[in-house]
Amino acid sequence: SQKIEQNSEALNIQEGKTATLTCNYTNYSPAYLQWYRQDPGRGPVFLLLIRENEKEKRKERLKVTFDTTLKQSLFHITASQPADSATYLCALGTGGFKTIFGAGTRLFVKA
Amino acid sequence: DTGVSQNPRHKITKRGQNVTFRCDPISEHNRLYWYRQTLGQGPEFLTYFQNEAQLEKSRLLSDRFSAERPKGSFSTLEIQRTEQGDSAMYLCASSYPGTGDNEQFFGPGTRLTVL
Repeated sequence: SQKIEQNSEALNIQEGKTATLTCNYTNYSPAYLQWYRQDPGRGPVFLLLIRENEKEKRKERLKVTFDTTLKQSLFHITASQPADSATYLCALGTGGFKTIFGAGTRLFVKA
Repeated sequence: DTGVSQNPRHKITKRGQNVTFRCDPISEHNRLYWYRQTLGQGPEFLTYFQNEAQLEKSRLLSDRFSAERPKGSFSTLEIQRTEQGDSAMYLCASSYPGTGDNEQFFGPGTRLTVL
């Protein structure tokens, strides 16, 4: 069956450290993978997209990697800040109209 | 504010009643999506419009759910004969094909509680 798995346990890190979140998928062949941030009671906000033929993409303190052999994406936030505390969602685009979201991982950054 | 707007923000209804939600996308966006999100889960795809055409509808969506997008502008999502299991956050998103990242812009959502 098709699955997208993100760390179900919350990730707690100290301010200034690098947060690394994982997204694994099975039985999908995504054309691209996106990462969104969601704060409580609000809609998700787009952060980054990485395509199937790209290995890595960066935007400011964010870095995303995409390994289509391992069927995994890693999302890194460097020099993390308390304001980075949120739920981070990965989403697969299969080339059609539909975007399939994972359940998300909650990140807590302690000052 | 030129973002995606949704109304109402909260809706409490009794089981068996019909409810309708409205989504106003960003004006130049011709793609519109509806999602449902429950606590601890990611958004679950419900349906997709390109302009006024409904191009895809989730197989998980029962016949009690219907969506429209007349004239390719705002969209409505109606749930008939609501059930307690319909309680969730209903999210609307819009996008424009010109953005290479297929970025979806989400509204704040409508939280539905079915008593």
